[in-house]
Amino acid sequence: EAQVTQNPRYLITVTGKKLTVTCSQNMNHEYMSWYRQDPGLGLRQIYYSMNVEVTDKGDVPEGYKVSRKEKRNFPLILESPSPNQTSLYFCASSLFRAGFAGELFFGEGSRLTVL
Amino acid sequence: QKEVEQDPGPLSVPEGAIVSLNCTYSNSAFQYFMWYRQYSRKGPELLMYTYSSGNKEDGRFTAQVDKSSKYISLFIRDSQPSDSATYLCAMSPLSYSGAGSYQLTFGKGTKLSVIP
Repeated sequence: EAQVTQNPRYLITVTGKKLTVTCSQNMNHEYMSWYRQDPGLGLRQIYYSMNVEVTDKGDVPEGYKVSRKEKRNFPLILESPSPNQTSLYFCASSLFRAGFAGELFFGEGSRLTVL
Repeated sequence: QKEVEQDPGPLSVPEGAIVSLNCTYSNSAFQYFMWYRQYSRKGPELLMYTYSSGNKEDGRFTAQVDKSSKYISLFIRDSQPSDSATYLCAMSPLSYSGAGSYQLTFGKGTKLSVIP
């Protein structure tokens, strides 16, 4: 089954404790991206990657890191989480046909709470 | 002015009604227009997308783009309770057109309830 898998799905952590949210896709997609979704603010892009070793900032990259060492994996790293990073996070991937990134397949989401 | 404006609703309609969902935008560089559906506690899923102006139909769903007015719409015919979800519009510039051409800008979503 074609899917984007995120882990953990739910996490409560404390300020400053480094954490990683993993994302893996089995569709051989070139493009992967991370979003956060907050009430009243909608979906906002954190980082995206057009291929292995190629990443770029989205609209809200502060406080996050990513890496793309393998095509299928795109982990999101919070080096020193703060309460304002409490949010619902989505990983997504796209085949990126002709450079079009809009056919996104989303994971189920990871709800993160930072105390 | 926000790049993409979408009425958050909530919108409540009886089963069988025609639903109209809309977004306006300000960035004339947008060329691709997408509609995503998001059920509660799930990730968004792509319903359909269009390139530039015009209409596109897929079953009970029709997407319209009016670039001259910077206005897009999604129509749902014969709405069903299973259509109850939040609908997100999204837009992006032409591929390979420079900075930002690989990013989507989302509206905040309209929450729809279809009452049996």
